[in-house]
Amino acid sequence: EAGVVQSPRYKIIEKKQPVAFWCNPISGHNTLYWYLQNLGQGPELLIRYENEEAVDDSQLPKDRFSAERLKGVDSTLKIQPAELGDSAVYLCASSSNTGELFFGEGSRLTVL
Amino acid sequence: GENVEQHPSTLSVQEGDSAVIKCTYSDSASNYFPWYKQELGKRPQLIIDIRSNVGEKKDQRIAVTLNKTAKHFSLHITETQPEDSAVYFCAASYSNQFYFGTGTSLTVIP
Repeated sequence: EAGVVQSPRYKIIEKKQPVAFWCNPISGHNTLYWYLQNLGQGPELLIRYENEEAVDDSQLPKDRFSAERLKGVDSTLKIQPAELGDSAVYLCASSSNTGELFFGEGSRLTVL
Repeated sequence: GENVEQHPSTLSVQEGDSAVIKCTYSDSASNYFPWYKQELGKRPQLIIDIRSNVGEKKDQRIAVTLNKTAKHFSLHITETQPEDSAVYFCAASYSNQFYFGTGTSLTVIP
């Protein structure tokens, strides 16, 4: 069974440019998460989806960040415009009905 | 909301010794407690978990204990090996919400 798939793995952009990350969760997992992870720190939730509904986006900086999960499967996280402080790893995760959480490999963003 | 504290932030042990990482949580609604291992540049990987109806769980050299009354849980690694070197994160969860600790960087010295 394939795990959580993310792309791209690495992205380097200049500040003020847009960037988008894509995530395909484990098949059958209804709950999808986007986390931000800074170096040496734990994952911090940006947004959580139950199927196609965003049920927790309180930590998402909505002035520049947006996310969508059309059809309740794949998800896209967008940043526009990117700032220097957005440099981090963006982790996608999905959870099963038993509550176990599985992470993708992450998308490492560098903003110059 | 839930608050998870994790200690120590760094831990060095000699190969073959045991390592213990401790976490506390604040919300009694939390009922699922997973532990993740993250190697440099890799994804966090689930290594063991425990649910609130169990006090202890063991998987080979790894064990987790849970004290619901005190709201703390611990990861125990016995007979440590160099490949155990990584960052370990605890988490507390309820209703598909996960709250992570700040991580423990474990170094196993050969």
